[in-house]
Amino acid sequence: DAGVIQSPRHEVTEMGQEVTLRCKPISGHDYLFWYRQTMMRGLELLIYFNNNVPIDDSGMPEDRFSAKMPNASFSTLKIQPSEPRDSAVYFCASSTLGAENTIYFGEGSWLTVV
Amino acid sequence: GQQVMQIPQYQHVQEGEDFTTYCNSSTTLSNIQWYKQRPGGHPVFLIQLVKSGEVKKQKRLTFQFGEAKKNSSLHITATQTTDVGTYFCAGGSTLGRLYFGRGTQLTVWP
Repeated sequence: DAGVIQSPRHEVTEMGQEVTLRCKPISGHDYLFWYRQTMMRGLELLIYFNNNVPIDDSGMPEDRFSAKMPNASFSTLKIQPSEPRDSAVYFCASSTLGAENTIYFGEGSWLTVV
Repeated sequence: GQQVMQIPQYQHVQEGEDFTTYCNSSTTLSNIQWYKQRPGGHPVFLIQLVKSGEVKKQKRLTFQFGEAKKNSSLHITATQTTDVGTYFCAGGSTLGRLYFGRGTQLTVWP
């Protein structure tokens, strides 16, 4: 079975540009998570969805970040405008039963903002 | 807010030595999960503990969940170079969130 699929795998962009990260969760999973990982802050939960509805977005750093899940098989995380401090690895993950069950991570999107 | 603290942050061992990482929560957890992330990779699920005082083993790895469901540990016996990576604990809350510790980065010298 295909795992969580993220794109792009790597992106280098200039400060001020819009960045869109994409995620396809595992089929049948009803929870989708966006995490950000940096050396300084570790693995941070940005937002998670249940049945396509955002449940907790308290981890979204500021208004420049937005996430959508228009259907059960697709989600986006958008940064507009991007800043150098947004450079990080962004992981999408999915699961059934939320925190009660295994979370499957995608391979991550490595973002560098210069 | 809820936090999961994990120590140590780094651990360097010689191959064959044992390794332990500890996880503590400020509040009672519904479950604890452990993940391993290889350098350049993504976190991969290892195990989940749900019951108070639960102990589970996977070959050389032993996982424990404290009686109060606020702490957990992962112990690796006789480390091998293939054990290199960062080990994360993640505590589950009843609200559906999973709180990750900062991880313990394990280096194994041959």
